[in-house]
Amino acid sequence: TQLLEQSPQFLSIQEGENLTVYCNSSSVFSSLQWYRQEPGEGPVLLVTVVTGGEVKKLKRLTFQFGDARKDSSLHITAAQPGDTGLYLCAGRPLGGRRALTFGSGTRLQVQP
Amino acid sequence: GAVVSQHPSRVICKSGTSVKIECRSLDFQATTMFWYRQFPKQSLMLMATSNEGSKATYEQGVEKDKFLINHASLTLSTLTVTSAHPEDSSFYICRGGPFYEQYFGPGTRLTVT
Repeated sequence: TQLLEQSPQFLSIQEGENLTVYCNSSSVFSSLQWYRQEPGEGPVLLVTVVTGGEVKKLKRLTFQFGDARKDSSLHITAAQPGDTGLYLCAGRPLGGRRALTFGSGTRLQVQP
Repeated sequence: GAVVSQHPSRVICKSGTSVKIECRSLDFQATTMFWYRQFPKQSLMLMATSNEGSKATYEQGVEKDKFLINHASLTLSTLTVTSAHPEDSSFYICRGGPFYEQYFGPGTRLTVT
């Protein structure tokens, strides 16, 4: 079983602060995705990273895929209350299987 | 993007009864759908892979006879929780899409009393 550990599990910060969420595994993934989920709703895809070392930016969010494709990070600059939610990383295993392995999740709360 | 719908969005049932959850692909043909379960404040756990026209593939620890999956058409996969118990109360989410574009349904909140 390929496991993805996320840290921190919970983060409460003030509006305007920066934060980084980490997603780590001992396994290699062909790609890795980040999702944001709000209570009572399905996860919404934020980004997919495929190449080792890849960096993608989505407005105030910066995603990085580790060189060895075993880990990833999500950095949020100047967090806003609208960023509040559960952030999930999910890795696609090697071999073409489409089922994702989800990380343990990071619950972010941004206080106004 | 592709749209996946689920019905019902919320269901409350009595212990011992069965509940069917539908997952529909609205603008694509889904040969495969994935079913996940999410307990409060936890991440998503893959339960099974639903394959159109063939048997579902269940993850280790998931009871096949309790969580019945049917994928009879390219637009509909169903998950039936049989003889539900309070510990089955959870958020059930399906996921599907064209090969490298996968989308989650909005989820179904099941509460067993």
